[in-house]
Amino acid sequence: GENVEQHPSTLSVQEGDSAVIKCTYSDSASNYFPWYKQELGKRPQLIIDIRSNVGEKKDQRIAVTLNKTAKHFSLHITETQPEDSAVYFCAATYGNQFYFGTGTSLTVIP
Amino acid sequence: GAGVSQSPSNKVTEKGKDVELRCDPISGHTALYWYRQSLGQGLEFLIYFQGNSAPDKSGLPSDRFSAERTGGSVSTLTIQRTQQEDSAVYLCASSSKGQRYEQYFGPGTRLTVT
Repeated sequence: GENVEQHPSTLSVQEGDSAVIKCTYSDSASNYFPWYKQELGKRPQLIIDIRSNVGEKKDQRIAVTLNKTAKHFSLHITETQPEDSAVYFCAATYGNQFYFGTGTSLTVIP
Repeated sequence: GAGVSQSPSNKVTEKGKDVELRCDPISGHTALYWYRQSLGQGLEFLIYFQGNSAPDKSGLPSDRFSAERTGGSVSTLTIQRTQQEDSAVYLCASSSKGQRYEQYFGPGTRLTVT
C-alpha cells in the first residue's frame, strides 16, 4: 500500500514569512494529492489539491508543487498570518482510499 | 446545505464495553470513510464504503472493529470490548464520486476508554 511521509512535524515562522511543508509518497499509481488544514478542535478542511497531470497549482497565498519523478509534493504558504496557525495534513490517493501524512503543526508568530 | 454530522460528540466508556459511533454523510454522497486520529497523530484510515459495493475494511485494526452503512447513507462504527488504546477521535468523511474527490469531514467523536 501507499506510505506518505510528512516533514517537518512542527514549524514556527514569523508573520509575513513563508512556510513550506513537504511530503513524499511511495506508490507511483497515486494520482491525487490534497492538503487539509485542521484548526485546534475543529475538523480537517481541504485547502488545496493537485492532480498528477499538473506540476503546480496556486490559490492566492497557497501553492502546491508536485514532482512525480521524485514522488514528492509540497505546500507553500506565503505572507503567513496568525490565522494560518493550524495542523496541516497531506494525503495521497488513487481510487478512493486516502493515505494521510502525520501532520505539521504550523505556528505563525505575530 | 447540511454537512457531515457525527454522534455522539463525546463518549466516555469503561474498558470492555461496546460502543457505537454514528455518521450522517452529506446527502447524495456515495463514498463514506472512517478515520481514527490519536492525540497528536495523523489520520489513520479504518474503512471505506462506496455505494453498494463491498466495503474496504483493510484499515480496521482488529476484529473488535466493524462498520455498517445502511441504505447507502448513515454509517455506524462499532467497537466491541473497548480497550484503552481505542481512545481517540473518530472522524467520518464523505465524498461525491466523480467530483474532485474532496472529502468533507464530520466534527468527530472523541472516545475515551477508562
